[in-house]
Amino acid sequence: AQTVTQSQPEMSVQEAETVTLSCTYDTSESDYYLFWYKQPPSRQMILVIRQEAYKQQNATENRFSVNFQKAAKSFSLKISDSQLGDAAMYFCAYKEYFGNEKLTFGTGTRLTIIP
Amino acid sequence: EAGVAQSPRYKIIEKRQSVAFWCNPISGHATLYWYQQILGQGPKLLIQFQNNGVVDDSQLPKDRFSAERLKGVDSTLKIQPAKLEDSAVYLCASSLVEGASYNEQFFGPGTRLTVL
Repeated sequence: AQTVTQSQPEMSVQEAETVTLSCTYDTSESDYYLFWYKQPPSRQMILVIRQEAYKQQNATENRFSVNFQKAAKSFSLKISDSQLGDAAMYFCAYKEYFGNEKLTFGTGTRLTIIP
Repeated sequence: EAGVAQSPRYKIIEKRQSVAFWCNPISGHATLYWYQQILGQGPKLLIQFQNNGVVDDSQLPKDRFSAERLKGVDSTLKIQPAKLEDSAVYLCASSLVEGASYNEQFFGPGTRLTVL
């Protein structure tokens, strides 16, 4: 079974600075998807960024980028120029490439932005 | 485009009582998911529907939880009887395309259940 581990329960960063959230996962599959989701205090989960395992290039979405290390099974999220609106719980998630649509989530990292 | 709707947003019940949650997915979305998010944990899939059929309910405690998706649109998740450990946020999500390799899941705001 696939597992996702987030070892940082809480992180904080000064506004406008850069922060990196860590995620490791375990799978025997070679093709899969990895995601970072953001869950603000209102609780609606929002997709931040997606990475396909077969792509070597790291995904980027504006201020958000990932460092995908397939051999190490590591998938970190970098947030540049942190803004107050980035404060939220961030979840790393895994999905099989074929078949089951379910997402397997980590335990989350609570990110605080310091003004 | 309207998002995934859930009601109620909050519910407080005594243990051994029954409770039901409702979800209305995004229009046209074939797949509907119910996740349970216990405080301090990531969401865990309880059940997945494709139209009105169950695809995966391996993590659903079937002795007390039930779910249905009538006519392949709205869905209801029921707990009967509730236990203290059922206190959690229940998230509903939906996705559009059947059979494609990637279908983004869109989440509703969740229902926070407190069992006293």
